[in-house]
Amino acid sequence: EVQLVESGGGLVQPGGSLRLACAASGFTLSSYWMNWVRQAPGKGLEWVANIKQDGSEKYYVDSVMGRFTISRDNAKNSLYLQMNSLRAEDTAVYYCARERYFISGNLGVFDYWGQGTLVTVSS
Amino acid sequence: DIVMTQSPDSLAVSLGERATVNCKSSQTVLYNSNNKNYLAWYQQKPGQPPKLLIYWASTRESGVPDRFSGSGSGTDFTLTISSLQAEDVAVYYCQQYYSSPLTFGGGTKVEIK
Repeated sequence: EVQLVESGGGLVQPGGSLRLACAASGFTLSSYWMNWVRQAPGKGLEWVANIKQDGSEKYYVDSVMGRFTISRDNAKNSLYLQMNSLRAEDTAVYYCARERYFISGNLGVFDYWGQGTLVTVSS
Repeated sequence: DIVMTQSPDSLAVSLGERATVNCKSSQTVLYNSNNKNYLAWYQQKPGQPPKLLIYWASTRESGVPDRFSGSGSGTDFTLTISSLQAEDVAVYYCQQYYSSPLTFGGGTKVEIK
């Protein structure tokens, strides 16, 4: 059974840092693009970042570029999101999501999601 | 960025009746080289993560009941629940994967009348 379990969320002051982790099981992490998607309280979904199977390509939404870094450790079956210079508007539940496999390559369709971890940025 | 606009924001439908959710993209998500629409639909129940329902605008993910169907092309898309069940109460999101950044619609809340 595919499982994605996020951890590392919490309360942090504006300007602070946090590192999220996502533990993957039930599939071979190294075979999939992986993503972070966030959802502000009571709001919709926003894609944050993704990373290629071997970590050689990474993409970010403009609003987090230069502040967030996505990474992975396939040997540890883990995905990470290092978040620096946090702002109030980064407050959200952060989901780890796997991209569905297509023969044509990565496309950005999410077939498995974790339960999410809440990040609250407030003084 | 491609902006996804959903309508209505919410709708209430009687059990067994049809529910229709609309999604419009600010530019086409139809890729001419393969004639595929890069549009997905997700269902999010309260307190749960989203669940993939449909991709390529009309292809149901494995295990998704056939009362869920997707249609449309180019910039206008529809998710239809043919006979609403109690377990279908949720927020539904469309998402384009035609270009980066991947973007979602604002969501449509479906409730029982």
